[in-house]
Amino acid sequence: TQLLEQSPQFLSIQEGENLTVYCNSSSVFSSLQWYRQEPGEGPVLLVTVVTGGEVKKLKRLTFQFGDARKDSSLHITAAQPGDTGLYLCAGAVGDSSYKLIFGSGTRLLVRP
Amino acid sequence: DSGVTQTPKHLITATGQRVTLRCSPRSGDLSVYWYQQSLDQGLQFLIQYYNGEERAKGNILERFSAQQFPDLHSELNLSSLELGDSALYFCASSVVGGGREAFFGQGTRLTVV
Repeated sequence: TQLLEQSPQFLSIQEGENLTVYCNSSSVFSSLQWYRQEPGEGPVLLVTVVTGGEVKKLKRLTFQFGDARKDSSLHITAAQPGDTGLYLCAGAVGDSSYKLIFGSGTRLLVRP
Repeated sequence: DSGVTQTPKHLITATGQRVTLRCSPRSGDLSVYWYQQSLDQGLQFLIQYYNGEERAKGNILERFSAQQFPDLHSELNLSSLELGDSALYFCASSVVGGGREAFFGQGTRLTVV
């Protein structure tokens, strides 16, 4: 059974602070995605990483895929209240009949 | 707007009843996924269909079933409903291959009373 563990589960920080969210597994993933979900809404895709060691930047968000493609991190610089939400990582397993396995999520609150 | 449409948005029903949730994927997407999200929980994978065929199965109860039709829309059937089935049910679609990203609908909030 493939499991994705996210840490921390909850994070409450002040506006302007930096933070890092981690996504770890003992399984190798063919790709890994990060999503953000707001209350009552569906998750929205932020980024996909495919290559081990890959780093992608999306404004103040930096995503990294581990060299062994088993883990990933999301770093937010100078967090803003608009960053508040549930951050989910998801790993793709399999090839032609793959499925997306989601981590349990990190709930982020950025206080003004 | 992700392009994935789920209906209904809200559903309230009694224990023991049966309901059907509907999902229309993004145009051109062949894969449909169903996920369950209970209060303050992560997304639990239920089942995946690709071009009408079941491709992967997660922790889906025997009381639940799904299918994907020739026009690629999908339905999730939940029967003999229990209070614990109350949750948000999300449908997502993707194009197999490429980045394998999934695009989610807005979900159906099911309340069993």
